Amino acid sequence: QVQLVESGGGVVQPGRSLRLSCAASGFTFSDYAMHWVRQAPGKGLEWVAIISYDGSKKYYADSVKGRFTISRDDSKNTLYLQMNSLRAEDTAVYYCARDRVPFGGVNVFDYWGQGTLVTVSS
Amino acid sequence: DIQMTQSPSTLFASVGDRVTITCRASQSITSWLAWYQQKPGKAPNLLIYKASSLESGVPSRISGSGSGTDFTLTISTLQPDDFATYYCQQYYSYSLTFGQGTKVEIK
Repeated sequence: QVQLVESGGGVVQPGRSLRLSCAASGFTFSDYAMHWVRQAPGKGLEWVAIISYDGSKKYYADSVKGRFTISRDDSKNTLYLQMNSLRAEDTAVYYCARDRVPFGGVNVFDYWGQGTLVTVSS
Repeated sequence: DIQMTQSPSTLFASVGDRVTITCRASQSITSWLAWYQQKPGKAPNLLIYKASSLESGVPSRISGSGSGTDFTLTISTLQPDDFATYYCQQYYSYSLTFGQGTKVEIK
């Protein structure tokens, strides 16, 4: 069965960096585009970034553009989110999510991880 | 970015009720709309894609409709498992955006 397991969250000071990981299993990871979606405490969902199945295309929300980098290592079936210059408003649960359709993708999320909490605070 | 506006923000209903949630896009997104259900402390769960296509495993009491800018999610006969928060999401263009959510609570 499809499993996505995030890790790497924690408490970090403003301006510092953090890298999140998402370990995938139960499907052919290299066939699917992958996303990061976040949710601030008590708030709604915010899409963060996408990486295409082959890693050739990446798109970001304006709120993180230039600070966050999405990447993947298909040999390890792992998705990453490098977060630099963190701000208090980046505090959220970060979910990785699989695109519903392999290869081309449709930007719909059919499987989600359990999430990892990032708290940016001094 | 395309703005997605859901109404109502909170909905009080009883088991057995018919429930309708509305989602409006700030511009036409044709049928590129998905709906998700989220329960407290859990990840969202995909219900509907392409405005009206039911995801595998989702009960048939849940349905979606609409196109262009106006969409609805309907639960025909509300069950105890349906008390949750529901989000619409447009995937017509980047940045992908969600509505603010509609919480369905027990009356």
